[in-house]
Amino acid sequence: LAKTTQPISMDSYEGQEVNITCSHNNIATNDYITWYQQFPSQGPRFIIQGYKTKVTNEVASLFIPADRKSSTLSLPRVSLSDTAVYYCLVGSYGGSQGNLIFGKGTKLSVKP
Amino acid sequence: NAGVTQTPKFQVLKTGQSMTLQCAQDMNHNSMYWYRQDPGMGLRLIYYSASEGTTDKGEVPNGYNVSRLNKREFSLRLESAAPSQTSVYFCASLDRATGELFFGEGSRLTVL
Repeated sequence: LAKTTQPISMDSYEGQEVNITCSHNNIATNDYITWYQQFPSQGPRFIIQGYKTKVTNEVASLFIPADRKSSTLSLPRVSLSDTAVYYCLVGSYGGSQGNLIFGKGTKLSVKP
Repeated sequence: NAGVTQTPKFQVLKTGQSMTLQCAQDMNHNSMYWYRQDPGMGLRLIYYSASEGTTDKGEVPNGYNVSRLNKREFSLRLESAAPSQTSVYFCASLDRATGELFFGEGSRLTVL
């Protein structure tokens, strides 16, 4: 199982770009990288997923280098409402594989 | 479209009492999960079920039992509750086609 390591916390200001990096040195060939956002008293919700290179959607970008041993979630122009905990999850989803272990997450605080 | 529904949302138990947390999903997903989240901490996997009729241990299974009643429902049982099991419990189901986990709103359990 690929173990993930993230910074415990990060601070930013409104309007800045935030980059959160996740380390996953023993990622397997079939593993994807998925990022989740969690607000207090709520379950995590999906942000973005990728396998390699770069993925972009309406809220974030995900950068994955060729060796796939790390990934970076990029949040453009953050606002106060982006204050949350962000989790990097590595795992495969096909067949009977299902042991999805979360890391400790990164608590992002956005200040005015 | 209810997604993942958990009951109850809140529960207070005395040490030694038993109870069952219920989870149901209406998205026809094969894989379902139970996580616990202690205050200020990340999510830890208790048990998961890759398909109807199968269950497997996660990171912290001791003190819990699970039942995959059918494809929709996955219950978590505490046979003899302990104060260390005070936590928020999240149920999730996995869309294998996209790799996205869908979480319920959580069940907040306090054991006195």
